[in-house]
Amino acid sequence: DAKTTQPTSMDCAEGRAANLPCNHSTISGNEYVYWYRQIHSQGPQYIIHGLKNNETNEMASLIITEDRKSSTLILPHATLRDTAVYYCIVRVAGTGGFKTIFGAGTRLFVKA
Amino acid sequence: NAGVTQTPKFQVLKTGQSMTLQCAQDMNHNSMYWYRQDPGMGLRLIYYSASEGTTDKGEVPNGYNVSRLNKREFSLRLESAAPSQTSVYFCASTIGLGSGTVNRKNIQYFGAGTRLSVL
Repeated sequence: DAKTTQPTSMDCAEGRAANLPCNHSTISGNEYVYWYRQIHSQGPQYIIHGLKNNETNEMASLIITEDRKSSTLILPHATLRDTAVYYCIVRVAGTGGFKTIFGAGTRLFVKA
Repeated sequence: NAGVTQTPKFQVLKTGQSMTLQCAQDMNHNSMYWYRQDPGMGLRLIYYSASEGTTDKGEVPNGYNVSRLNKREFSLRLESAAPSQTSVYFCASTIGLGSGTVNRKNIQYFGAGTRLSVL
């Protein structure tokens, strides 16, 4: 699986968009980008995933660069409840999630 | 639909005691996982079960055993607890290699965690 690099922490003002970057320069053609978040003391929660097209769901948007070497998770209107650790993971689809590596992630602080 | 259920939520053990952490999922998923998370750290995979009847070691298996009791249940056993095993334990499941949209097979669903302290 391709390695991912994320900033250690980020701040965002409540109501503003939170843009969380992830670098995955060694991503291969059949690897998807998955995002999870972990709110304090809770189990991680799936947010969104994509291959090469931008994706949007009720929680967030995922923007993947054309060369697929990086991506950005966008929370359009961050709230205090979005304060969490966000994990970017790259995996080959259909492998069942075996040995998924959760790194340190990005700690997002949403401030009032 | 409860998703992934872990019991107990909290546990305190003395060094050398044994215990089993229970995990059950009601999503008909094929694959199940056990992770541990130490304070300020990411998740580390202990064991996983790709399908009923199979188990494999993850990144940090020493000191643990697992049992895939049936498709729904995957338990984690500490035979002789040590203070180094103080952690939060998370169970997760995925559709795995069964039927389902290919790109959704990696999506992991997590339980609420078991907070274990070994004194």
